[in-house]
Amino acid sequence: DGGITQSPKYLFRKEGQNVTLSCEQNLNHDAMYWYRQDPGQGLRLIYYSQIVNDFQKGDIAEGYSVSREKKESFPLTVTSAQKNPTAFYLCASRLNYGYTFGSGTRLTVV
Amino acid sequence: QKEVEQNSGPLSVPEGAIASLNCTYSDRGSQSFFWYRQYSGKSPELIMSIYSNGDKEDGRFTAQLNKASQYVSLLIRDSQPSDSATYLCAVQGPYNQGGKLIFGQGTELSVKP
Repeated sequence: DGGITQSPKYLFRKEGQNVTLSCEQNLNHDAMYWYRQDPGQGLRLIYYSQIVNDFQKGDIAEGYSVSREKKESFPLTVTSAQKNPTAFYLCASRLNYGYTFGSGTRLTVV
Repeated sequence: QKEVEQNSGPLSVPEGAIASLNCTYSDRGSQSFFWYRQYSGKSPELIMSIYSNGDKEDGRFTAQLNKASQYVSLLIRDSQPSDSATYLCAVQGPYNQGGKLIFGQGTELSVKP
């Protein structure tokens, strides 16, 4: 079955450490997105990509980086510059009006 | 003004009642609107999408869109305890900005047995 796989499901980061969240899709979708969700909040856009080797900043890109070397993969790196990274991270892809979400990664700073 | 705004909630209704969830948006050019349901710790799941003015019904769910008033709503008839979740309103942004979904802050619904 086609879908989006996010890993890991839970991730713990130490202060000053960079961590990378994986997002892989086998839907052949061109557009992919990373969202962040804080408790009691909606989803806020971090980065998006509409085509391989191209990506754009969303509303809250500071402290994050992405790459899009393959159509299937859109990893998100949370850098040490992100001072409050504890949140639920969701990856999504789109074909026309149809959006598919991954199951999310919960990142906690320890 | 936020791009997409929802009632802050929480909204509590008795089992069997109608739950009404509301959403307003700021971009008059918006064309595509979505309602997602999200259980705690899970990813959002699509309940309804609506693109034209008027009502769209799917089972117990009815989405209503009024582009002139920049307003979209979701009605849940015969509410069940399993409907207890956070409901997210989302508006699709322009394709030249990636076609991103712009979300409201969500409304928490609690259905009491």
